[in-house]
Formats: sequence, structure tokens, C-alpha cells
Amino acid sequence: GESVGLHLPTLSVQEGDNSIINCAYSNSASDYFIWYKQESGKGPQFIIDIRSNMDKRQGQRVTVLLNKTVKHLSLQIAATQPGDSAVYFCAENPPPYWMANAGKSTFGDGTTLTVKP
Amino acid sequence: EAGVAQSPRYKIIEKRQSVAFWCNPISGHATLYWYQQILGQGPKLLIQFQNNGVVDDSQLPKDRFSAERLKGVDSTLKIQPAKLEDSAVYLCASSTLDGLWEKLFFGSGTQLSVL
Repeated sequence: GESVGLHLPTLSVQEGDNSIINCAYSNSASDYFIWYKQESGKGPQFIIDIRSNMDKRQGQRVTVLLNKTVKHLSLQIAATQPGDSAVYFCAENPPPYWMANAGKSTFGDGTTLTVKP
Repeated sequence: EAGVAQSPRYKIIEKRQSVAFWCNPISGHATLYWYQQILGQGPKLLIQFQNNGVVDDSQLPKDRFSAERLKGVDSTLKIQPAKLEDSAVYLCASSTLDGLWEKLFFGSGTQLSVL
């Protein structure tokens, strides 16, 4: 079946460096993607989303890139801070994305980001 | 604004026992979800409610899992009887529409250990 996968289960970066977390998806019909951050003992928290009619979207210190040709998206975190240490999930959604179906997301298995002081 | 409340935070039971989890969504959120998150994996949808009606329970193992949202606010998820493989974090989420886009807000979950 279709699945959402992350390239690396763990990532360790130095405080102040930029982080890049990758995600490969296999359902070519997916057209809405969400990145979540999950801190220890908490539920996932929305970070940023992107629709398939875009290839880049920026938020505060975060950027998501979408490459539909190779079915890949990435989350870039600028100037990584200790508070960014968490598990990051990408989630994909089937069309049509304009319907309220974020709750039906297929989640990947997460990348654990560790920020070293 | 208060977030999604879940209780208990932790529960340890023996296999074949029953257990119930409670969720209070964010006030005004009509849609409520229950997810199961096994250690090292992403959340997997179990059931979706819209107000007090079930929208999607296709992934719910109905032979042992049940859920209700009687008054369209709080919800309860029950497992009876529990199996070892039910050990997981059970997350509740409620959602609102930001324009046309649905945004999920998750609770901190209930960590279930089945021995």
C-alpha cells in the first residue's frame, strides 16, 4: 500500500546550524502535505503545510520544499535551537485538498532531531 | 485558549482487562479524532466523529474497540478485552477550519501498557 517514509530516523545537529529533514512519499495522488513536531510526552503540533500547486513555502524559521517529480518533501529549520529537539513527522493527504480531511492524513514514522549545545 | 484534554496520562493493565480513555476537545470544535501511536511510528487514525456522529470508523478494530461521543463534546474510547499489541499512546485530536483548510490540535495522549 501507499506509505509516507522519512529518509533518516535520527538527525543530530549543532545549535545554530540549519537542519534538513527529508520525507519521501509514494502516493502520486497526494496533494496536501503537513509537517508536525512532536515533543516528548506531547501530541503532534502543526508546523507548516504545503499544497501541491506550490514547491516552496516559508514560515518562521522553517521552510518546506516539495518536489513532485521525485515525490519528495523536506523541512528546513534555520538556526536550530535546543527547543527544536523533537520527532518530526510528515503527513500526506489525498485529494481534494480543499476538503477538510487533514485528519485523514497518512503519517510517516518520524525523524528524531537532536540539537547539541 | 485551552487545548485538547485527555485522561488518564498513563494506564497499565493486564491483557484481557478493559480500559477507557477520555477526551475533551477544544470548545467549539465539531470534529474529533482518535489515533493510535505505536512506539517509533506515526499516529494512525482509529475513528472520526462529526458532532456526535461517526464519520469514519473503518480502521477501528470493532471486535474490541469502541468509541462514543454522546453529546457532541467529550468522547470516550474503550478497549475490551485488551491485547499486548494494544500497547501504544492513544491520541485525541479536534479540528477547526482555517478558511477551507482543516487544522488539527492534538492532546498529549494516554500511554497504555498492556502486560
